[in-house]
Amino acid sequence: DTGVSQDPRHKITKRGQNVTFRCDPISEHNRLYWYRQTLGQGPEFLTYFQNEAQLEKSRLLSDRFSAERPKGSFSTLEIQRTEQGDSAMYLCASSPWAGEGEKLFFGSGTQLSVL
Amino acid sequence: AQKITQTQPGMFVQEKEAVTLDCTYDTSDQSYGLFWYKQPSSGEMIFLIYQGSYDEQNATEGRYSLNFQKARKSANLVISASQLGDSAMYFCAMREEDFGNEKLTFGTGTRLTIIP
Repeated sequence: DTGVSQDPRHKITKRGQNVTFRCDPISEHNRLYWYRQTLGQGPEFLTYFQNEAQLEKSRLLSDRFSAERPKGSFSTLEIQRTEQGDSAMYLCASSPWAGEGEKLFFGSGTQLSVL
Repeated sequence: AQKITQTQPGMFVQEKEAVTLDCTYDTSDQSYGLFWYKQPSSGEMIFLIYQGSYDEQNATEGRYSLNFQKARKSANLVISASQLGDSAMYFCAMREEDFGNEKLTFGTGTRLTIIP
């Protein structure tokens, strides 16, 4: 069990550029989540997948954001035409099952800075 | 709508003392789950403890216990015998356990600093 892995750890980009983040969940975890955390706040839900199906998206996920999990394993989160307001920590989490007390295992996040 | 309130932005506690981190929540659902996560400076969110709304006994996990007062809608985290490694951000979170609702709603967190 190597834990949830996120890449890159840090990303600095200029406004208007596209960025893509990758998340590798714990193997055999069929649920994968993306959260966003801004300074001084708790994480906010963005979207989640069960296997390769994207089942829920937050209203926070504007049209510039897209997430995929093509084979039900790793996932990517792409932000197009980045804005300064996109600067945040993007956290990925996975879990092995759904139900009461479902515990999420989080990665260390990707810190995005948009200049 | 779900809401989590953590009113303590920061706390300083002497090593080996017990500490209580406050959390109140708001929901109209009868079935929900309450979670506490720890976030050290490395950024990773670490699960600490879970309490279901129908659980009659307070949850305990080692040095962590959850003081669940359903009528008051509070779910305070108690850490006994604090250690230097407990210094971190602590987040309370809730999930309404309706079919199709999968998101955790987090509070703004409490920064705990343990003083040697």
